[in-house]
Amino acid sequence: ETGVTQSPTHLIKTRGQQVTLRCSSQSGHNTVSWYQQALGQGPQFIFQYYREEENGRGNFPPRFSGLQFPNYSSELNVNALELDDSALYLCASSLDSGSMETQYFGPGTRLLVL
Amino acid sequence: KNEVEQSPQNLTAQEGEFITINCSYSVGISALHWLQQHPGGGIVSLFMLSSGKKKHGRLIATINIQEKHSSLHITASHPRDSAVYICAVPQGLRGSQGNLIFGKGTKLSVKP
Repeated sequence: ETGVTQSPTHLIKTRGQQVTLRCSSQSGHNTVSWYQQALGQGPQFIFQYYREEENGRGNFPPRFSGLQFPNYSSELNVNALELDDSALYLCASSLDSGSMETQYFGPGTRLLVL
Repeated sequence: KNEVEQSPQNLTAQEGEFITINCSYSVGISALHWLQQHPGGGIVSLFMLSSGKKKHGRLIATINIQEKHSSLHITASHPRDSAVYICAVPQGLRGSQGNLIFGKGTKLSVKP
């Protein structure tokens, strides 16, 4: 148990819809990172939030957006869903945003877009 | 070329065997992570190391910074070790942003 939770565990949407995925970080962790993992691939970095501000972004379009709240929860929003958005979405929290921090992963949300 | 490459992609072993998984990276790094992912999807951090060797139970991780190579060893393997093992490096150097670049993972299956 990492102390990081995600909801929902599974989700089915249709192309063009919007989705919100949620993550609850460990208490005291100022940083949350979101990753997308397609089947058979390693996770890909979407973006990172530090103290409620975006602190870096991977190669994902603007329809992927996020929020981080003062209560250590965060959201990943995806608009205009495409079939290729089907993947496991992982959040990971860490005490700080630096490169020497251990990241604690949630169990993931498995999204299927039809 | 991927920045983080792992080998082998798939590995099947008999219970009790000594296992080695390799990771090579092409970028300068401050540390390297070894993670374990079970079929349900959750990822657990096993090691973060920046030099030398670390040991935790039957798991040993080594890193050679000059050669940009790391290995994860499992001694006396057990079926419960069956999982995907992933190598990851931070995108930035020491002090900078810590988002991770991942390898594709090595799927390990240990047969009884």
